[in-house]
Amino acid sequence: ETGVTQTPRHLVMGMTNKKSLKCEQHLGHNAMYWYKQSAKKPLELMFVYNFKEQTENNSVPSRFSPECPNSSHLFLHLHTLQPEDSALYLCASSQDGSYSGNTIYFGEGSWLTVV
Amino acid sequence: EDQVTQSPEALRLQEGESSSLNCSYTVSGLRGLFWYRQDPGKGPEFLFTLYSAGEEKEKERLKATLTKKESFLHITAPKPEDSATYLCAVQGNNDMRFGAGTRLTVKP
Repeated sequence: ETGVTQTPRHLVMGMTNKKSLKCEQHLGHNAMYWYKQSAKKPLELMFVYNFKEQTENNSVPSRFSPECPNSSHLFLHLHTLQPEDSALYLCASSQDGSYSGNTIYFGEGSWLTVV
Repeated sequence: EDQVTQSPEALRLQEGESSSLNCSYTVSGLRGLFWYRQDPGKGPEFLFTLYSAGEEKEKERLKATLTKKESFLHITAPKPEDSATYLCAVQGNNDMRFGAGTRLTVKP
């Protein structure tokens, strides 16, 4: 069991659906992240939130919409996705969002399949 | 631009056969080098952080080392339960980059 919990673990959605991924961290951290992991590719950073403020958006299409109501919760709202968006979506947290050697801890991921 | 390259892409070992995984990197201002283990269908599990050349860390059968250009993850007398994908990540002044991973299979 990790300190970062993601739900749902598996999600199948049609291209016209709207769904959300949820993440909660119990580590007392101030930064939260969304990463995308596709087969045989390195992890791709999508968004970073530091003290609830978005500090990085890595040119992610607008069909992915993040929301961070507080330092412990992070959402990824999904709408009108494409089949190529099918991947493992990983939430993570760290002490803060600065690049100062802080370790990033990951959740178990949400497997998304777009049909 | 910061880069991380892991080799080999895949490694098959017999139980008890020691070996090493490589992570080569170029980075602007190393803040930390991280090793993770990832089992199929799960998120990466943190193993080690190394901060400066010459640093070494150990955990059970795993030992991580760091130079100015690369890191090694040495696996001593591996067991089948060590089978997983091992990810390396490098944090620099401006970002954090992950390698594509080494998929390790240990046969009994």
